[in-house]
Amino acid sequence: DTEVTQTPKHLVMGMTNKKSLKCEQHMGHRAMYWYKQKAKKPPELMFVYSYEKLSINESVPSRFSPECPNSSLLNLHLHALQPEDSALYLCAISPGGTDTQYFGPGTRLTVL
Amino acid sequence: TQLLEQSPQFLSIQEGENLTVYCNSSSVFSSLQWYRQEPGEGPVLLVTVVTGGEVKKLKRLTFQFGDARKDSSLHITAAQPGDTGLYLCAGASGGYQKVTFGTGTKLQVIP
Repeated sequence: DTEVTQTPKHLVMGMTNKKSLKCEQHMGHRAMYWYKQKAKKPPELMFVYSYEKLSINESVPSRFSPECPNSSLLNLHLHALQPEDSALYLCAISPGGTDTQYFGPGTRLTVL
Repeated sequence: TQLLEQSPQFLSIQEGENLTVYCNSSSVFSSLQWYRQEPGEGPVLLVTVVTGGEVKKLKRLTFQFGDARKDSSLHITAAQPGDTGLYLCAGASGGYQKVTFGTGTKLQVIP
């Protein structure tokens, strides 16, 4: 069973706040992803970490700052967000060498 | 840019009916995944298909990967209210780091 945990489950923040989203896995999978998903739309890739190094940044604004402190943790630091950044933020992991991704439950972010 | 078009976009059916969801592309994929997602939750993996022409069954769900690995279908037999959700296909090519998600099919099964 592949388990990915995300905290917090819900987050409400103002446009001047600084907050962080956390993703944790204990499967030893070496690829970790951040996605943004708006209502009724498919997930949009933001960042990919491979072996704890940032390998893909899909031209994401600098107000989103990812961090991978170790093979089990992935953070997304948020600063000076806009209301249009309100969305479900999903973390996913993938075993190296396979295409399949396993998703966490997501963090519902609301920016006021 | 690779695109995966799903059809239909929305489907509302009565419990017990059968349905098929399609996932089509002009690109070739090395593998394709199907996910089901409930509102406010992350997508849950249903199946991965990797071989052209492959058919996989998961209880009442049957998944098929096209011979040319450009398309896939999901068939549900005797749909139940618990099948309600957003169904997403996702195609991978050229390595594990990037997948292309389909446009999604929102299914509602009415008791």
